Amino acid sequence: DSGVTQTPKHLITATGQRVTLRCSPRSGDLSVYWYQQSLDQGLQFLIQYYNGEERAKGNILERFSAQQFPDLHSELNLSSLELGDSALYFCASSVATTLDLYNEQFFGPGTRLTVL
Amino acid sequence: AQSVTQLGSHVSVSEGALVLLRCNYSSSVPPYLFWYVQYPNQGLQLLLKYTTGATLVKGINGFEAEFKKSETSFHLTKPSAHMSDAAEYFCAVSPNAGGTSYGKLTFGQGTILTVHP
Repeated sequence: DSGVTQTPKHLITATGQRVTLRCSPRSGDLSVYWYQQSLDQGLQFLIQYYNGEERAKGNILERFSAQQFPDLHSELNLSSLELGDSALYFCASSVATTLDLYNEQFFGPGTRLTVL
Repeated sequence: AQSVTQLGSHVSVSEGALVLLRCNYSSSVPPYLFWYVQYPNQGLQLLLKYTTGATLVKGINGFEAEFKKSETSFHLTKPSAHMSDAAEYFCAVSPNAGGTSYGKLTFGQGTILTVHP
């Protein structure tokens, strides 16, 4: 158990819908990362938040957005869903202070999204 | 931009045999390097990491990896495979300095390891 929790574990929805994925980081970790794992694209970095602010952005679609709340949990919002959005979405967390010498990320179990 | 190439999407070994999973990276400066393992229906678990210092890094479950700057490689090895090692393995890199890309992990495509009795 990494200490990172994600809910829900599974999500089945229809095209055009909107869903919210939730992540609680490990106690003490200030940074949250979102990744998408699909058969087509592999594991791709989407976005990072550090202490409530966006820190880095990857290949995240405009239909997707995220935020990190004062209690440090994060939500990934996916809207106007398409079949191709079906994937496993992982959240990871790390201490990631500005003085961090390395970037060890601890991954949650993931949320499997199926768009029908 | 950084990139990671894992040679071989599938590797099959016999129990007790040497495990060698290959990873090459492309980066303008030596990055931080990681190996993660993913068991079926689970998240990713860090096996080992290289940041600075000794280039031979030991990780969990008997795995180790060697950073070779001249070859831009970070191959993962285990002297004797166990049935429980069957999983998917991912090599990843991260920038070792600040900037807008700090924190981003770039993953290889993964290598599925099968261990035969």
